[in-house]
Amino acid sequence: AQSVTQLDSQVPVFEEAPVELRCNYSSSVSVYLFWYVQYPNQGLQLLLKYLSGSTLVKGINGFEAEFNKSQTSFHLRKPSVHISDTAEYFCAVRSTGNQFYFGTGTSLTVIP
Amino acid sequence: GAVVSQHPSWVICKSGTSVKIECRSLDFQATTMFWYRQFPKQSLMLMATSNEGSKATYEQGVEKDKFLINHASLTLSTLTVTSAHPEDSSFYICSAKDPNKAYEQYFGPGTRLTVT
Repeated sequence: AQSVTQLDSQVPVFEEAPVELRCNYSSSVSVYLFWYVQYPNQGLQLLLKYLSGSTLVKGINGFEAEFNKSQTSFHLRKPSVHISDTAEYFCAVRSTGNQFYFGTGTSLTVIP
Repeated sequence: GAVVSQHPSWVICKSGTSVKIECRSLDFQATTMFWYRQFPKQSLMLMATSNEGSKATYEQGVEKDKFLINHASLTLSTLTVTSAHPEDSSFYICSAKDPNKAYEQYFGPGTRLTVT
């Protein structure tokens, strides 16, 4: 069975500062990992995904994530955040049956 | 990119009535769609997997007789909340799997259901 843990429910950060949103997963099989962003009252937008290959994955809006198999982590990072990055961020793992299982989300608030 | 729409985006209904939510894949055929439920400030919880032409597969704890799913065509899946109660009020999001992209799903914008 797969599960995803997002350790931080809320992350406040000043504009132009770096940020890391943490995600750990548990899975007994090969994993496919995703990060999504959700703006208020909207659906999910894919930021990036790890399927295989390079462990450093670059996504949209300047975000990147690193897959660490030994630590079962897939932390999301951005070197310099903007006000527009304020949103809810979800880490997800895809099962072999194509279902997605989501973490509890991290609310990122960028402070001017 | 692939687009998934939901209709309506927002609905209010009275307790005891039923409401239908549509999920459409606009530019690709989706043999598999998924329905999620999201409570305020919480994560998405997978409710069921909808397969075109066959019965939906429900996650443990989801009442299949209350949340009726019909995947009648390759571009449309519907979720009907029957005999709705205030506790069914939630944000419902669907996603569709593009068969040409093995590992990706595309999410709809969500439907806000309020039961009074």
